[in-house]
Amino acid sequence: KAGVTQTPRYLIKTRGQQVTLSCSPISGHRSVSWYQQTPGQGLQFLFEYFSETQRNKGNFPGRFSGRQFSNSRSEMNVSTLELGDSALYLCASSLISGMLEETQYFGPGTRLLVL
Amino acid sequence: GDSVTQMEGPVTLSEEAFLTINCTYTATGYPSLFWYVQYPGEGLQLLLKATKADDKGSNKGFEATYRKETTSFHLEKGSVQVSDSAVYFCALSDPAKNAGNMLTFGGGTRLMVKP
Repeated sequence: KAGVTQTPRYLIKTRGQQVTLSCSPISGHRSVSWYQQTPGQGLQFLFEYFSETQRNKGNFPGRFSGRQFSNSRSEMNVSTLELGDSALYLCASSLISGMLEETQYFGPGTRLLVL
Repeated sequence: GDSVTQMEGPVTLSEEAFLTINCTYTATGYPSLFWYVQYPGEGLQLLLKATKADDKGSNKGFEATYRKETTSFHLEKGSVQVSDSAVYFCALSDPAKNAGNMLTFGGGTRLMVKP
């Protein structure tokens, strides 16, 4: 079974631009979560989507948004990029949401550099 | 809110040495606990998990026991190999708090194993 895939793997943008990152979950998984990883803040939860609905949201500004499609693929968008948005963005998928036994499987990440 | 604290690295060991990486957590509910590993340039891989008190998770020679009385989930391995060099993350999820699959991570501990 194929794992979680993320595209693109690397991205360079300039301040003020916007960016869209894509995540394809493991086949059959309906929950997709996004995390931001930076050297200073570590791993921080952005949001989770389940059955096309946002299930939960972390403490990030409204410039960060996401959506999920009917095939469970998810995209996240960052508008008006800032230098501090440079990070590794990780996507994780799981079968369902909110169960104690549930395990999340991570993709390789998209490394975003904002100049 | 929930939080995870793990020992700062880097931890440097010789091959075949015993490994312990400490992890303690704060949570109001009964969370599930996880250890993830991140190899250079890659995403996170689930190493092991435990979902209730006194559960022992194990995988690839690594073990961790869910200790509710000390709110700890320390990672151990009896004999490390050079290939174990990576960053290790302790994490928790608390679906009972209606947080879905949101993971709260510790800061990560870099392990370096020398031949």
